[in-house]
Amino acid sequence: DAGITQSPRHKVTETGTPVTLRCHQTENHRYMYWYRQDPGHGLRLIHYSYGVKDTDKGEVSDGYSVSRSKTEDFLLTLESATSSQTSVYFCAISERSETDTQYFGPGTRLTVL
Amino acid sequence: KQEVTQIPAALSVPEGENLVLNCSFTDSAIYNLQWFRQDPGKGLTSLLLIQSSQREQTSGRLNASLDKSSGRSTLYIAASQPGDSATYLCAVEMDSSYKLIFGSGTRLLVRP
Repeated sequence: DAGITQSPRHKVTETGTPVTLRCHQTENHRYMYWYRQDPGHGLRLIHYSYGVKDTDKGEVSDGYSVSRSKTEDFLLTLESATSSQTSVYFCAISERSETDTQYFGPGTRLTVL
Repeated sequence: KQEVTQIPAALSVPEGENLVLNCSFTDSAIYNLQWFRQDPGKGLTSLLLIQSSQREQTSGRLNASLDKSSGRSTLYIAASQPGDSATYLCAVEMDSSYKLIFGSGTRLLVRP
């Protein structure tokens, strides 16, 4: 398995509180991604990073922010969590060659009450 | 806007059967198409990646085909086994945008 860890693995929080999820990689891959997975929707891209301090929005970025101060860490922050952000969040990494795919972390299950 | 659809949403087959999972996409200007497997409570594992210039890729008992003009891909699993039980997702990447657009998956159960 690619060296990707996510923390925490499970979190329950209340509406209106800030939440930060962490993705850590040991592969030195340039690209990192945050997705959310909801029943009936597959995975949807929230934000991605193409280098330290270089990030861009994905399909469902409203209510989320990201930061990448080191190659190995990519943080996803929910500034003020809402119940609609209850989901499973996956981090992925890639090196972006023609034949390279994305490698996924184990996921974080977030419940917002 | 690219949309990716997978049919059926769920499939149950007896062990040993050959089966086909379907994926369709609305915009044929793709960079590549990828098939992933997801076990319950786990992350995704890449199975096959087909470049837009390719027609198919094979890995063991898995064969994936791509027909860009019709906006379709199929994943063929030969001689299915209970260990193949999982959710299979297809995803397309548009024009080297580094972003994957996923279908909602097919949940496969292979009965012993």
